[in-house]
Amino acid sequence: AQSVAQPEDQVNVAEGNPLTVKCTYSVSGNPYLFWYVQYPNRGLQFLLKYITGDNLVKGSYGFEAEFNKSQTSFHLKKPSALVSDSALYFCAVRDRRDTDKLIFGTGTRLQVFP
Amino acid sequence: GAVVSQHPSWVICKSGTSVKIECRSLDFQATTMFWYRQFPKQSLMLMATSNEGSKATYEQGVEKDKFLINHASLTLSTLTVTSAHPEDSSFYICSARTGLLGPYNEQFFGPGTRLTVL
Repeated sequence: AQSVAQPEDQVNVAEGNPLTVKCTYSVSGNPYLFWYVQYPNRGLQFLLKYITGDNLVKGSYGFEAEFNKSQTSFHLKKPSALVSDSALYFCAVRDRRDTDKLIFGTGTRLQVFP
Repeated sequence: GAVVSQHPSWVICKSGTSVKIECRSLDFQATTMFWYRQFPKQSLMLMATSNEGSKATYEQGVEKDKFLINHASLTLSTLTVTSAHPEDSSFYICSARTGLLGPYNEQFFGPGTRLTVL
């Protein structure tokens, strides 16, 4: 069955430190991978996606993610965290054989402390 | 960029009443719209996919008679929760896609509607 796992419910990091939010997936074939951010009582905002090509994808607000096919992972990273980065982050995968259906992970709450 | 709006942003209703939520694509034509449901501290679950002018495709386990979806134009889709009950209380999020299905045509998400059924 297709699935996306975000093993950490919450990640705490001090402002200025690097951050990593983990995501692994289980999808047959070569999936399209996405990261979204959600602020309280708001919809999802697109951060970045991997379709093909370079395994390191750069996105909005200084975020980047690295696609690792052998480990079936797509971890979100940022070199220097900001307090304003505190939010809920969702990893998602789209099965190429399906239509537009996105399969979301359970989300990771990022808390950046000043 | 592509903007998707939802109305209302929050609604409180009595058990047994029906509630309509609108999803609009403001600056693009949405050939396909999606409705998601998000429970507190949980992920988004796709409820249904709707294409303009045709019937919605519901995910397994979603009652089509309870969650009526209409996509009558390229900029508007509505979700009507019929005979709402407290267990229907949730955060409902829509998204929209323009153009043909493909790797580079992504979904743009609305801000969500919080429904509370008393």
